[in-house]
Amino acid sequence: GNSVTQMEGPVTLSEEAFLTINCTYTATGYPSLFWYVQYPGEGLQLLLKATKADDKGSNKGFEATYRKETTSFHLEKGSVQVSDSAVYFCALTGGSNTGKLIFGQGTTLQVKP
Amino acid sequence: ETGVTQTPRHLVMGMTNKKSLKCEQHLGHNAMYWYKQSAKKPLELMFVYSLEERVENNSVPSRFSPECPNSSHLFLHLHTLQPEDSALYLCASSRGSGGASYGYTFGSGTRLTVV
Repeated sequence: GNSVTQMEGPVTLSEEAFLTINCTYTATGYPSLFWYVQYPGEGLQLLLKATKADDKGSNKGFEATYRKETTSFHLEKGSVQVSDSAVYFCALTGGSNTGKLIFGQGTTLQVKP
Repeated sequence: ETGVTQTPRHLVMGMTNKKSLKCEQHLGHNAMYWYKQSAKKPLELMFVYSLEERVENNSVPSRFSPECPNSSHLFLHLHTLQPEDSALYLCASSRGSGGASYGYTFGSGTRLTVV
């Protein structure tokens, strides 16, 4: 079945540093790919998504490009802020029109002033 | 506010109690989900409802009992829980079968503590 692997955290950065959180996937067919963010004490919020190869999702300064050749969907941001401290989840659709999303284990990002 | 509302936000219950978690959405979605999020563990999908019919039950113990009376409401009935059931319980909705490509909308969760 489809699966997703994220880099282990926590990731600790200084404010204004460049962020990359790696995500790779295994899938049959053509899944849609997502990044979700979970701020402390909250549920998950959709951050960005891409539905086909070479699509770039972007939101709030974050970007990720759907790379079919490397089966990756790495999350990047050029300059992080303290307010970006959260847990980030990579996800993909389960395939075969199951209506399911499959989530990675999450990566904690801590940004220090 | 995401459009998916969960109540209560926090719940403390004894192992012999019976309680229910509630989830409500008015986004016009017709699939709803319960997830369990425990510390240092991946998100665990518990139940999936599509058009008010349960389509998935991922080997969840019978002390958790879901109910979906209509497409806008989802409940999780709890009884005789164990301390290891303490977790954040998240509800989500989507546009239904095949609608996962649009993503899920999550509620803020219910933080459950079993004492």
